[in-house]
Order: sequence, then C-alpha cells, then structure tokens
Amino acid sequence: QLQLQESGPGLVKPSETLSLTCTVSGGSISSSTYYWGWIRQAPGKGLEWIGSINYSGSTFYNPSLKSRVTISVDTSKNQFSLKLSSVTAADTAVYYCAREDNTGITSPAIDYWGQGALVTASS
Amino acid sequence: SSELTQDPAVSVALGQTVRITCQGDSLRSYYASWFQQKPGQAPVLVIYDKNNRPSGIPDRFSGSSSGNTASLTITGAQAEDEADYYCNSRGTSGDHLIFGGGTKLTVL
Repeated sequence: QLQLQESGPGLVKPSETLSLTCTVSGGSISSSTYYWGWIRQAPGKGLEWIGSINYSGSTFYNPSLKSRVTISVDTSKNQFSLKLSSVTAADTAVYYCAREDNTGITSPAIDYWGQGALVTASS
Repeated sequence: SSELTQDPAVSVALGQTVRITCQGDSLRSYYASWFQQKPGQAPVLVIYDKNNRPSGIPDRFSGSSSGNTASLTITGAQAEDEADYYCNSRGTSGDHLIFGGGTKLTVL
C-alpha cells in the first residue's frame, strides 16, 4: 500500500522560506505515470493546489504562487520537496503531499494523500 | 477563467438523493474529480474521470458532467457521508490544477 509522509518544521518566521519533504513508501517515485504534488489548506478554508513534479523533474505550478515556489525530486531517496519563499501569515496551512495519477482521460486523479503537516508562519 | 464554483452548503435527509454541483469554464474541456473530507482528515478521492470510482468507494457515489457543470450525486445518503466535498480539475490553460471552494454536506 502506497504511503506518503510529510516532514519539516512546523513553525516558520515571516519572510523566511518554508521547507517540507514528502517521503514515499510502498512504491517507487520513478514512474512516468505519476506526478507528485503539494496541496495546502488554510485553517477553516478550502484546498489549494500548489504544484507538482515528476520523476525527471518536470514541474507545474499554481500561477498565483509560481514566483515563490520550488518543487524538487530526489529519486534515490524516493522523496520530493517543497520550498515556499517569503512566507507571510497567509501561508499558514496544513500542507499535504499527494500522488497525481496521469492515466486519466483529461485530468489527473489525486489518489493518494499524506496525512498533512501544519505549518504556521509566525514570529 | 481558472475557477470552480460550488455551493457552500447543501443538506439531505437520510436515505435521500443529493446532487452537489461544480461550475467552471475549464469543465467544458476537462473532467472533474471529487473528494470527500471529514474533519481532521486528509481528502479522499471518491470520483475521477467524470464517473469512475476508486476501489472501496460505495456505488451510491456517482459523477456526471454537462457543459460547464460537473455533478456529484449521492443516492441514498448515509450519516457517514456528512463531510466537505471538493471538485478538482485542470485550469483553462491545462497546465495547472484547481479546486472548487467546497460544499459542506449535512445529512439530516
């Protein structure tokens, strides 16, 4: 059974960079079928897609966050990572890592999710 | 535009049928997926590719699409279906994903 687990600091100071890593177990990150993504949810709010990456490093980003986001992959560790720069209080959220299955007809199916990691941007 | 619009809240009597809708320009080109999220839990995929259910999802969940609107129908709603539901698809440019604002379903 595929499992994803987020890890990283739970507290980030405003103007600094948020960094999270997702470790994938029970399956290989090195498949052309899948992209590996980040999604966040501010307290009491809806879901927001941040971006995703495949095993070769091809990325897609949310246009509204693109200038601050970097997603990278380390296939040797079966991990992918998120960096979000210049954070503000508005970036406080639960951050989920997830698998996007691109075998769909028109849109990927986000079929596996991590449990989520709360990151608070505060001094 | 790259937006998906959902009604904030919907209610249904136990055992009855409810439809949750999602509207957006990109739905004319791309199918929607649907997610169920209960408090304190990660979202769970319930419908993808318009009307496909992942393994383990009850067949009372179904999806459909017409024009710029995607719908999730729960036929015979159960108490455990009370949750937030989100639609998801590609944006109009096709190079990013978007979520609807979510619908809170109450089972009466």
